[in-house]
Amino acid sequence: SQTIHQWPATLVQPVGSPLSLECTVEGTSNPNLYWYRQAAGRGLQLLFYSVGIGQISSEVPQNLSASRPQDRQFILSSKKLLLSDSGFYLCAWSKRELSYEQYFGPGTRLTVT
Amino acid sequence: AQKITQTQPGMFVQEKEAVTLDCTYDTSDPSYGLFWYKQPSSGEMIFLIYQGSYDQQNATEGRYSLNFQKARKSANLVISASQLGDSAMYFCAMREATRGGATNKLIFGTGTLLAVQP
Repeated sequence: SQTIHQWPATLVQPVGSPLSLECTVEGTSNPNLYWYRQAAGRGLQLLFYSVGIGQISSEVPQNLSASRPQDRQFILSSKKLLLSDSGFYLCAWSKRELSYEQYFGPGTRLTVT
Repeated sequence: AQKITQTQPGMFVQEKEAVTLDCTYDTSDPSYGLFWYKQPSSGEMIFLIYQGSYDQQNATEGRYSLNFQKARKSANLVISASQLGDSAMYFCAMREATRGGATNKLIFGTGTLLAVQP
């Protein structure tokens, strides 16, 4: 069966510090991968998606970047965090072909102080 | 542009009663998919139910059913026989139409917080 992992689960970082959040998927190959952010009390906003290694599409202009160094690894990064980067970050995967659903990871709660 | 609207920020329901969570969508594409996800306080997103735009019948999954009214562009979630464990945030989402490949990107509504009272 497929599983998706995210770490860390929680993170408190000062403004201006770098960020690296990691997401890995097991039990499947060639997945589409997604990074979402959820601000407190809000819906999910798609940040990045990837259909293959090294292929990253950005949905909104921002302070963050994403990379996919391996087929089942998706990394969210920032060189200098802003207060507005605080939120709940969710990674998800779906099958490469037209799919009925996305499968979400447990999320990382980021607080920028 | 495609859009999902959930107009109920919060809902209360008595245990064992049915509740309907509203969702309307806007798209000009004839082929699309509609989803409902549940997010408990732990934060995980749990897939509940899916409705394709060409599906003739309303989707059902156990106590969950989707009241799909295509002409009105609505996809309301009906939870029958509510349980205390149903208390959570519920999100309606739409899969963006794909061009040249299945990106499977989802657009989410702002969610409805459901509280089930004993």
